[in-house]
Amino acid sequence: KAGVTQTPRYLIKTRGQQVTLSCSPISGHRSVSWYQQTPGQGLQFLFEYFSETQRNKGNFPGRFSGRQFSNSRSEMNVSTLELGDSALYLCASSLDATYTQYFGPGTRLTVL
Amino acid sequence: KNEVEQSPQNLTAQEGEFITINCSYSVGISALHWLQQHPGGGIVSLFMLSSGKKKHGRLIATINIQEKHSSLHITASHPRDSAVYICAVFTGTASKLTFGTGTRLQVTL
Repeated sequence: KAGVTQTPRYLIKTRGQQVTLSCSPISGHRSVSWYQQTPGQGLQFLFEYFSETQRNKGNFPGRFSGRQFSNSRSEMNVSTLELGDSALYLCASSLDATYTQYFGPGTRLTVL
Repeated sequence: KNEVEQSPQNLTAQEGEFITINCSYSVGISALHWLQQHPGGGIVSLFMLSSGKKKHGRLIATINIQEKHSSLHITASHPRDSAVYICAVFTGTASKLTFGTGTRLQVTL
């Protein structure tokens, strides 16, 4: 069974731009969660989608948004990028939220 | 105070040593994850548990719900175990994971 894939793996953007990251979950998994990892704050929960519905959201500004498609693939978007958005963005999929989560390799975003 | 605390923050061990990493949490949880992150970023879920004890190879995880405490043990440690180990809990809002700050483990020959 193929694992969770994320694209792109690396991204460099400048302040003020926007970015879209993609996550393809393991086949059959309907829950997709997104996380941000920075050296200062560690891992933080962004949001979780299940069957195209956002079920939970972390404490991030509205510039961070996401969506899930009918095939469970998910995207997250960050608008008006700030230097502090530089981070590793990880997605994880599971059958449902409280089942074992399987993480993707992450997208490393650098904002200049 | 963080909702999830791990200790120690850093750990150096010699190959073959028995290792224990601790996780304490202050909120009600439905389940707890132990995660492993190697340099480069990839995260692997080692265990998810809500009670008792689980074992996989040289790894053992235990949880005491009453004491709000979990431990991850590595028996006969090996240099390939060198990684950051992260404890994460599903809190009251079931789909949200809250993470500890991680324990950086280095196992030397």
